Amino acid sequence: DQQVKQNSPSLSVQEGRISILNCDYTNSMFDYFLWYKKYPAEGPTFLISISSIKDKNEDGRFTVFLNKSAKHLSLHIVPSQPGDSAVYFCAAIPSPGKLIFGQGTTLQVKP
Amino acid sequence: ETGVTQSPTHLIKTRGQQVTLRCSSQSGHNTVSWYQQALGQGPQFIFQYYREEENGRGNFPPRFSGLQFPNYSSELNVNALELDDSALYLCASSYDRVNYGYTFGSGTRLTVV
Repeated sequence: DQQVKQNSPSLSVQEGRISILNCDYTNSMFDYFLWYKKYPAEGPTFLISISSIKDKNEDGRFTVFLNKSAKHLSLHIVPSQPGDSAVYFCAAIPSPGKLIFGQGTTLQVKP
Repeated sequence: ETGVTQSPTHLIKTRGQQVTLRCSSQSGHNTVSWYQQALGQGPQFIFQYYREEENGRGNFPPRFSGLQFPNYSSELNVNALELDDSALYLCASSYDRVNYGYTFGSGTRLTVV
């Protein structure tokens, strides 16, 4: 029973263009979400978060949008850079200390 | 801050054996969580320790157990290893239970043969 889903295993974009990574969740009680980036042989690193009281949060090139009615969030990266190539995970926090991760989306940014 | 370090980085064990994985949390972080990441999947929550006591558990059997020590180090123990236990094991620390600033280690790659 996958409560957080990332339905696109991979995404390829050209450098300078926008990358949009999507995430769906099933539990309307989830009220905090995070995005992590993971390079090979490294642990996930925190990227950006959003609380359910907001519908948008921006940090530099990264923006996360939350659509509570659709139980959907997305991460926008503008402009995309080759160094952004990594696996991206969205995660929900159902209770303190516990993260529920999606399956991940591998982003490739081509020079 | 020294980050989160895990040891060993790679490990090969035989089915039925026991294994101990270690994590050294960031200084001052009194909360540590362990995750299992199977190939092609996202990390799955195993359990969390707060001030040396288990403080939440995911859907993992009792042969997965842990310890947290006062010096910000912790262990994940797995008994009676099964082939499906082959995965990347990640620990993550934070300075309290409700803080969302989790710092992950690079993980231990466990292979069970």
